[in-house]
Amino acid sequence: QVQLQQSGPGLVKPSQTLSLICAVSGDSVSSNDATWNWIRQSPSRGLEWLGRTYYRSKWYNDYAVSVKSRITIKPDTSKNQFSLQLNSVTPEDTAVYYCTRDGYWGYWGQGTPVTVSS
Amino acid sequence: DIVMTQTPLSLSVTPGQPASISCKASQSLLQSDGKTYLYWYLQKSGQPPHLLIYELSNRFSGVPDRFSGSGSGTDFTLKISRVEAEDVGVYYCMQTPHLPITFGQGTRLEIK
Repeated sequence: QVQLQQSGPGLVKPSQTLSLICAVSGDSVSSNDATWNWIRQSPSRGLEWLGRTYYRSKWYNDYAVSVKSRITIKPDTSKNQFSLQLNSVTPEDTAVYYCTRDGYWGYWGQGTPVTVSS
Repeated sequence: DIVMTQTPLSLSVTPGQPASISCKASQSLLQSDGKTYLYWYLQKSGQPPHLLIYELSNRFSGVPDRFSGSGSGTDFTLKISRVEAEDVGVYYCMQTPHLPITFGQGTRLEIK
């Protein structure tokens, strides 16, 4: 069974970089039939898909237009994990962040509440 | 972006009674492989969304058979045949074939 374990700081200062990691067990981030996604949830924006990384003979990314200029999602095959970096954060980026795998879309990380505040 | 519109936004149900939630997509979710990539989740307070139904009508592992999904194209329904106290929370639909992946705004179910 796939398990996703998130880690990262819960407080980030405005203009700095939000960095989260999602460690994968029970599957491989290099799988040719999976995509690895980040989603966030806030009262004002609801559930919002941020982007994904996936491997199909080479690595690909897709990002939401709303964050495209600020986001990077990267795999780390040596640790079987993937990461989220969101640059130049503002209080609008305050949310609970989740990692998830496609397929059934039934495997989610536990969620990381992130507050952007000085 | 595909807009997912859920109705109602809230409902109050007596235990043992049925409940139904509608989700309408602004474009068809039927793909060339014949599958409809529509998902239903239940989110309880302080938890991530838990998958109930995948690909329109398939119950995820461990989901009770009182939950069922149906519909086609752009109109979808989640039905609970007999609501139980543990079914309280917020229900979301999600579409995946069209990027960006989008969600409905949620339907809050409470028990009378």
